[in-house]
Amino acid sequence: NFMLTQPHSVSESPGKTVTISCTRNSGSIASNYVQWYQQRPGSSPITVIYEDNQRPSGVPDRFSGSIDSSSNSASLTISGLKTEDEADYYCQSYDSSPWVFGGGTKLTVL
Amino acid sequence: EVQLVESGGGLVQPGGSLRLSCAASGFTFSSYWMHWVRQAPGKGLVWVSRINTDGSTTSYADSVKGRFTISRDNAKNTLYLQMNSLRAEDTAVYYCARPLAVGITPPYWGQGTLVTVSS
Repeated sequence: NFMLTQPHSVSESPGKTVTISCTRNSGSIASNYVQWYQQRPGSSPITVIYEDNQRPSGVPDRFSGSIDSSSNSASLTISGLKTEDEADYYCQSYDSSPWVFGGGTKLTVL
Repeated sequence: EVQLVESGGGLVQPGGSLRLSCAASGFTFSSYWMHWVRQAPGKGLVWVSRINTDGSTTSYADSVKGRFTISRDNAKNTLYLQMNSLRAEDTAVYYCARPLAVGITPPYWGQGTLVTVSS
């Protein structure tokens, strides 16, 4: 099994851009799709990025995803930050094992 | 519209049992593997179990292996999680989740059901 490591927290001001990283410790990040989930307090997770960089319908194009094989990591970038983006964000991937989640990143928009 | 609605959570004593259900609609349930994921209070998401389309293949996290059983009824579009020998550390919100279909549709999550194991 592998692990996904995320920063515990990030903060940024409204209107700015923030990037959350997700680093895979073994195996290639490019071998299996990475998903990103947003979880607001008291709510269930929703998918904001799937298959590395695809946005579900209804998710604003301020959200984008990418992978970087050189650092073996995935990134979630949110531009034009809004206070409603304040939430926990989780990356998730898999290989021969079932779903593996990152520890989550708390995004504060202040 | 894809909908996943969990039920069956509640307060149970240590050593007790509970069965969770997840009613699916808005997609062809029998075509998708399904998962259970849990989240302890104030903690992150943790994968619990998965089942293949016809129920013949299942997998479990080590922490629940031998105590939890995942199953499904495709005729009723319902996913189940039978939880036995419950422990305090099983206290969590339990979510059912439908994985992505490559190139077609993203993952979907239910709203969750809270299981509290306490005397």
